[in-house]
Amino acid sequence: ETGVTQTPRHLVMGMTNKKSLKCEQHLGHNAMYWYKQSAKKPLELMFVYSLEERVENNSVPSRFSPECPNSSHLFLHLHTLQPEDSALYLCASSQEMARGGYTFGSGTRLTVV
Amino acid sequence: GENVEQHPSTLSVQEGDSAVIKCTYSDSASNYFPWYKQELGKRPQLIIDIRSNVGEKKDQRIAVTLNKTAKHFSLHITETQPEDSAVYFCAARTPGGSEKLVFGKGTKLTVNP
Repeated sequence: ETGVTQTPRHLVMGMTNKKSLKCEQHLGHNAMYWYKQSAKKPLELMFVYSLEERVENNSVPSRFSPECPNSSHLFLHLHTLQPEDSALYLCASSQEMARGGYTFGSGTRLTVV
Repeated sequence: GENVEQHPSTLSVQEGDSAVIKCTYSDSASNYFPWYKQELGKRPQLIIDIRSNVGEKKDQRIAVTLNKTAKHFSLHITETQPEDSAVYFCAARTPGGSEKLVFGKGTKLTVNP
């Protein structure tokens, strides 16, 4: 493990379901991110949390709701998704002001049926 | 905001040949440029990065060059091997705010044995 753990690895859900994706980092980083990876837009930034405060939301539909209870944990709550939301959802963390790159989790492969 | 263009989208080379992937960025304030490698079914992993005060950086068979004036940077892989086959992403980060990375759309590199 690289220090960023995502669960579950795979998720199949119906359009009326509610589910949550979880991300946990053990690197002592202070910023966390959700990215959506699909064939059309390979690495699309969804949300940025810095010091547990959401600092950016790239016009993501409200059916995606992030939560960052502390600097080590990040959630993505899902409800009433659409088939086009099927994608790989990647979590990443970094240490702001340290001029370093991201460490990515392995992702959650989401299929909406 | 920052915009990163990456070319080519696909690249096929023979084992032992060199591969070059090019990226351009729009924000002259960007100061950090990482490259990520993503193998099939795996997470993106940082392979090399360069900061704006450096023109070139090398790590074994991988090198990155940066031209700040022209706002472009390139990844060079020499003596390619089949295990280099993957999708490569460039990124740029602008200081301040959330310090998020903006990614290019990726280049699928295939090294033929």
